[in-house]
Amino acid sequence: QKEVEQNSGPLSVPEGAIASLNCTYSDRGSQSFFWYRQYSGKSPELIMFIYSNGDKEDGRFTAQLNKASQYVSLLIRDSQPSDSATYLCAVNKNSGYSTLTFGKGTMLLVSP
Amino acid sequence: GAVVSQHPSRVICKSGTSVKIECRSLDFQATTMFWYRQFPKQSLMLMATSNEGSKATYEQGVEKDKFLINHASLTLSTLTVTSAHPEDSSFYICSAGRGMQPQHFGDGTRLSIL
Repeated sequence: QKEVEQNSGPLSVPEGAIASLNCTYSDRGSQSFFWYRQYSGKSPELIMFIYSNGDKEDGRFTAQLNKASQYVSLLIRDSQPSDSATYLCAVNKNSGYSTLTFGKGTMLLVSP
Repeated sequence: GAVVSQHPSRVICKSGTSVKIECRSLDFQATTMFWYRQFPKQSLMLMATSNEGSKATYEQGVEKDKFLINHASLTLSTLTVTSAHPEDSSFYICSAGRGMQPQHFGDGTRLSIL
C-alpha cells in the first residue's frame, strides 16, 4: 500500500461548482497534513494545512481531516478556471520534523 | 507566507559541467531544507534532506557524490550537480521547513544538459 494515495484524475468540474479532492494515508502516526497546488511547470504552493480532526476553512478552501479513517480532503468552493492545477496531498509522519511524504497529486480541470 | 528564494531559475549547459543551485529562506530560519527532483508529468521525488551544520541525508538511489548538498547556515543550502549529463536534466526544487511547520518551496530550477 502506498503511503499517501490520491486519484490522479483529471477531476473535471464546471466553473462555480465545488471540487472535492481526496487523499488517504497509511501511517496512523501521521501528525499533520498539507495541501499544495502545483501549476504546470511551477513549484508547489501551500494552500492549506490541518492538524486536528474536523474542518478548517480558509476562503474558498476547506480542508477536512478524519484520522480514524486516515482520510484528508480539500474542498474548493466556487471553482474558477484559475484553480486548474495539480493538487498534492502531503503528510508529516514525524513529530518535530518537517519531512513530508507526498501523494502523486490529483489534476483538477475547471471548465468555464 | 514564508519566502524561499531559489537561484538560478534555469540552466542550460554542456554535458560534464557542474551546476550549483542555491536555496535561501528569506524570512525565517529553516532548520531543515529539502531537495526534490521532478521529471515531466511525474510526482515530486525527494532527493535529500539537509540540516544546518550536518551532512545531508540522501534518499535511496540518489548518488551523494553526484549531488553534493551543503547547508552552511539556517538560511542557505546549495545543491551541486557534479559532471552533469543529459539524464540529469530535470526540474529541481528546494523547500525549507522548521519543526512541524509547513514546508515552503522555492520557484525551482529547470536544468537542461545538452
